[in-house]
Amino acid sequence: EIVLTQSPGTLSLSPGERATLSCRASQSVSSTYLAWYQQKPGQAPRLLIYGAFSRATGIPDRFSGSGSGTDFTLTISRLEPEDFAVYYCQQYGSSPATFGQGTKLEIK
Amino acid sequence: QVHLVQSGAEVKKPGASVKVSCKASGYTFTGYTLHWVRQAPGQRLEWMGWINAGNGNIEYSQSFQGRVTITRDTSATTAHMELSRLRSEDTAVYYCASSGNAQAAFDIWGQGTMVTVSS
Repeated sequence: EIVLTQSPGTLSLSPGERATLSCRASQSVSSTYLAWYQQKPGQAPRLLIYGAFSRATGIPDRFSGSGSGTDFTLTISRLEPEDFAVYYCQQYGSSPATFGQGTKLEIK
Repeated sequence: QVHLVQSGAEVKKPGASVKVSCKASGYTFTGYTLHWVRQAPGQRLEWMGWINAGNGNIEYSQSFQGRVTITRDTSATTAHMELSRLRSEDTAVYYCASSGNAQAAFDIWGQGTMVTVSS
């Protein structure tokens, strides 16, 4: 099973700032099979990025994904108030599909 | 508009079984794969298994092998997940989510079903 470790656990930033979230895999993950999700309290996760780089339908271009191999990054270029949430990475190329433990993005 | 609507919250006793349903609308049900994912309080998301809604192929996570059964009813465009021999650690929100195939990101999610296991 591929273990995904996200850092930091909590990120405190202000609206307008840039956020950089990290996801490290215990073994190499094909970029084709790496996704990022956003989850707000009481809601289901929402797909943001798939294939490491591609934005899902309706996702603003301030969200971008990068990385390869075992290290992947989600960047939010300028934080909006609605971006404060928990973010999860996921690999879905190797069974079982696995998720990271999440990064909580909170308002500073 | 693509929607996945799940059945309501459940409270079960240890040792019992629970069956959660997920009704799809707004797309061709048999063209997609449906996954089940759970989230225990304060825990990360945990994938349980998937079903190809078209051909009925299934894969389960080893963590739930023998306890989980995923089925689908194509005429009702509904998938079901039954978890047996419940224990307190199974208390969680259970989600269904769709993807284009078994190796695709989960692009549409149901609203979640809270299952509480308590004596």
